Order: sequence, then structure tokens, then C-alpha cells
Amino acid sequence: GQQVMQIPQYQHVQEGEDFTTYCNSSTTLSNIQWYKQRPGGHPVFLIQLVKSGEVKKQKRLTFQFGEAKKNSSLHITATQTTDVGTYFCAVREDSGGYQKVTFGTGTKLQVIP
Amino acid sequence: KAGVTQTPRYLIKTRGQQVTLSCSPISGHRSVSWYQQTPGQGLQFLFEYFSETQRNKGNFPGRFSGRQFSNSRSEMNVSTLELGDSALYLCASSPHPDGELFFGEGSRLTVL
Repeated sequence: GQQVMQIPQYQHVQEGEDFTTYCNSSTTLSNIQWYKQRPGGHPVFLIQLVKSGEVKKQKRLTFQFGEAKKNSSLHITATQTTDVGTYFCAVREDSGGYQKVTFGTGTKLQVIP
Repeated sequence: KAGVTQTPRYLIKTRGQQVTLSCSPISGHRSVSWYQQTPGQGLQFLFEYFSETQRNKGNFPGRFSGRQFSNSRSEMNVSTLELGDSALYLCASSPHPDGELFFGEGSRLTVL
């Protein structure tokens, strides 16, 4: 089955520093989604990437889909305390004609003020 | 528009009991999926429903079951509870089967 690894597992950064999390798949992906879960909260959708090499930006967040569509990254510029949370990638695996969602292991970000 | 509503939010059960969790999707969303979240295993897919049909099932034992009603509301049931079933159970709805997921607040189950 689908294996989706995220690195790093944890990251502590000083406020104002940059942060990057990487998502790696064992298979070629049709698309990838990113979610953020605040402590005590539920995952919230951030973005979906579909095209090879695609780059999308949301304010201080930059999302990239690899050329081979097997990996993706989320980069946050100049982190703020509001960025604290766990970031998950989510991929869809073909299963009997339908697509099943597999979430990455997540990267927990702590921002030190 | 109201978000995804899950009930109950918290519950405590003992081993061997069963539990039913409920999920009301966002109005107009016909796709509902369920996930188990634990510190050790992360977010794991349980099952997905679309128009009352189960489209996919994750790698969970048969004690875990679900269904979807004609109004798109969904329930999941866990029978013969084990200590390891303690987790946050999240429901998500989507406007179409492969779209973005809108999660509810979750039902936190503790099995004693």
C-alpha cells in the first residue's frame, strides 16, 4: 500500500525563522493536499497541488509539488506563533477504482517567541 | 453554512462495550469519510461513503463499521471495544469524492 513519510517529525524554530516540511511518497501521485492541525483542533485544508512542478503561494506559505510527482514541500517564511501546529500532507491511492486517502506522518511545528 | 458536526464530543466506555458516533456533513456534501487519530499511529483512514455507498475501507478489523443515510449523515460503530481503540475519531465531508476535506471537531473516545 501507499507509504507517505514526512520529515522532520518535529521542528522547533525561533519566531521569524523559516520552516520547511517535506512529504515523500513511494509511488507517483495524482495530487497532494496539505492540512494544518492546531493543538487541540481538527485538520484544516490548506491547498491542493495537481501539476508536476507546481508552486503555489499563500502569503508566507509556499507549496511545491515535485517534478516526478512523488514528493512535495511546504515552506513557511518568517514563522509566527500563529503557525504553531502539525502539518500533514494527504495523498490519494487508487483502490478498486476509487481513491483512498492516506495522510502523512505529520510535522509538528513549535515556534518560540 | 454550518460546519461538520460530530456527536458526542467526548465519551468514556469500558472494554467490551460498543459505541456509535455520529457525523452531520456540511449541507450539500455527499461524501463523508472517517479517520482515527492517535499519537502513535497518526491519522488513519477508516472508511468513506458517497451517496449511502461505502467506497473504500481502511485496514481496520471488522469491529469497525459505518453507514451513511439518505440525508448524507453518517454513523460509525465500534463493537467489543479494546483499550487500543482510545482515540480521536474525526469525520470529514467533501463536496465531491476526491475534493478537499472539511473536518469536524472529532469525538474523543476513552476506553477503560
